[in-house]
Amino acid sequence: DAGVTQSPTHLIKTRGQHVTLRCSPISGHKSVSWYQQVLGQGPQFIFQYYEKEERGRGNFPDRFSARQFPNYSSELNVNALLLGDSALYLCASSWGATVTEAFFGQGTRLTVV
Amino acid sequence: ELKVEQNPLFLSMQEGKNYTIYCNYSTTSDRLYWYRQDPGKSLESLFVLLSNGAVKQEGRLMASLDTKARLSTLHITAAVHDLSATYFCAVDSIGNTGNQFYFGTGTSLTVIP
Repeated sequence: DAGVTQSPTHLIKTRGQHVTLRCSPISGHKSVSWYQQVLGQGPQFIFQYYEKEERGRGNFPDRFSARQFPNYSSELNVNALLLGDSALYLCASSWGATVTEAFFGQGTRLTVV
Repeated sequence: ELKVEQNPLFLSMQEGKNYTIYCNYSTTSDRLYWYRQDPGKSLESLFVLLSNGAVKQEGRLMASLDTKARLSTLHITAAVHDLSATYFCAVDSIGNTGNQFYFGTGTSLTVIP
């Protein structure tokens, strides 16, 4: 059974560009959450989506947006990239909106130059 | 905002020794999570603690939760090199529509032969 898959695994972008990160949850899971992990820190919550609806939003600027598709996969979009957006972006999958177990993907390493 | 603090931030210990990592959090929560992260990798779930007094053990690791003190501990017994990694604790905040995890800053553990 496939786990949480994220693509791409690594990405280099220039300041001001736009980026789209993708996540496919575990089969049967309907909730996807996104986290940003800057080097040397713990992950920070960005968004949660459940059944294609936004269920939570962290303290991130409007440059960050996300959506969830009918097959429960999700995209995270970041506009007008800044150097400070360089981080590991993690996707977490769970079966429900409020659960005690979340499974994390391998992450996308974004470098903004 | 919910705060999660871990100490120590860095821990270097010899093989065979015992040590404890502490996790304090700032608001009432009955749910506490421990994750392991190897360099450049995603988060691996170690323990899910769901009630006051919960204790769980897996191999050389044992986690406990005291919700009244808002404290969790991760105890390492007779450390081995394979335990070298960064360990995160996390608390979840349950809203009306979903839940998000708040992570500590992490404890970077190095076990020296």
